[in-house]
Amino acid sequence: GDSVTQMEGPVTLSEEAFLTINCTYTATGYPSLFWYVQYPGEGLQLLLKATKADDKGSNKGFEATYRKETTSFHLEKGSVQVSDSAVYFCALSATNFGNEKLTFGTGTRLTIIP
Amino acid sequence: DGGITQSPKYLFRKEGQNVTLSCEQNLNHDAMYWYRQDPGQGLRLIYYSQIVNDFQKGDIAEGYSVSREKKESFPLTVTSAQKNPTAFYLCASGNGYTFGSGTRLTVV
Repeated sequence: GDSVTQMEGPVTLSEEAFLTINCTYTATGYPSLFWYVQYPGEGLQLLLKATKADDKGSNKGFEATYRKETTSFHLEKGSVQVSDSAVYFCALSATNFGNEKLTFGTGTRLTIIP
Repeated sequence: DGGITQSPKYLFRKEGQNVTLSCEQNLNHDAMYWYRQDPGQGLRLIYYSQIVNDFQKGDIAEGYSVSREKKESFPLTVTSAQKNPTAFYLCASGNGYTFGSGTRLTVV
């Protein structure tokens, strides 16, 4: 079945450091890929998405590129801030047609220290 | 503003009790979902519904029940058959892009 594997946490970085959180997936067909962010005590917020190979999703300085050849969707940010401290989830949905359930990775806790 | 409302935010359940978690959306989405989140784990799908009066089991449906009588509402009942119900429960709608703020359920 479909699965998502993401980088084990926790990850601790200094402010203004470069961030990479790795995510790889296994799926049949052509899934859509997502990154979600969860702040303490809250639900998930969609951070960015990509629906086909070589698409780049971006939002709030975060980027991720859909790499079909390596089945990866790594999250990057050039200069992190304390406010980026949260848990980040990589996810996929089985098709591009909407109304499809998501398969999540286990999440990566990110802490940014001033 | 459009969105998903989950209530209550915190819920305490005694052993052997059934409890119902509310999820309401005003986004006109057909599909709705319930996920469970445990510490250090990703989200696991409990139930989902792609249309009114129809729903399907997810990966961990045992001990849970749902109904979908209205497009806007998808309540989740945690039954006494769920042996380890303490968790954070998240409702989502649409193609999974929109999540509620969650209900934290604790067994006391």
